[in-house]
Amino acid sequence: EVQLVESGGGLVQPGGSLRLSCAVSGFTFSSHSMNWVRQAPGKGLEWVSYISSRGTTKYYADSVKGRFTISRDNDKNSLDLQMKSLRDEDMAVYFCARSTLVAVASTESLYMDAWGQGTTVTVS
Amino acid sequence: SYELTQPPSVSVSPGQTASITCSGDRLDEKYACWYQQKPGQSPVLVIYQDSKRPSGIPARFSGSNSGNIATLTISGTQAVDEAAYYCQAWDSRTVVFGPGTEVTVL
Repeated sequence: EVQLVESGGGLVQPGGSLRLSCAVSGFTFSSHSMNWVRQAPGKGLEWVSYISSRGTTKYYADSVKGRFTISRDNDKNSLDLQMKSLRDEDMAVYFCARSTLVAVASTESLYMDAWGQGTTVTVS
Repeated sequence: SYELTQPPSVSVSPGQTASITCSGDRLDEKYACWYQQKPGQSPVLVIYQDSKRPSGIPARFSGSNSGNIATLTISGTQAVDEAAYYCQAWDSRTVVFGPGTEVTVL
């Protein structure tokens, strides 16, 4: 069974830091790219960051660029998100999600086919 | 930056067909996928690469993408399909989500 379990959420003051983790099992972690996606209370989904299967390629949403860092440890089957200079608008449930990025007829397709249950970050 | 637009809400009677649209500039030149999210739960992928269904997703879910509009269709809608639905595309090394559509089964 595919499982993704986030941890590390909590209450942090504006300007503070927090490190989120995602422990995965049930699939070959090193074969999949991964993402962090967040959802503010009562709002829609917002993509945060992407990391390739080997960790060599990373992308970030403009809203977090320079403040958040995504990383992974394929030996430990874990994904992390280091968050610094946290703002009120960073308050959300943070999901880790497994993705597939594939080129189909010269067009790239990315979709997320497994998600964790989320961890809540409160900035106050 | 690329943007996707969805109607805020769609209402459908049980057994009828619900169509949820997602619009974006030249969206048919990208691949769209769709997620279902019920209150308090994580999103679930229901359609990827415009029209493919992951295993375990009922056949009443289907998708298409033409011109500037991708469409998620739920045929024979059931009460269990009441949820928020989000479209998503991949553009210039960025994941873009639509704002979501609340589907109400009346």
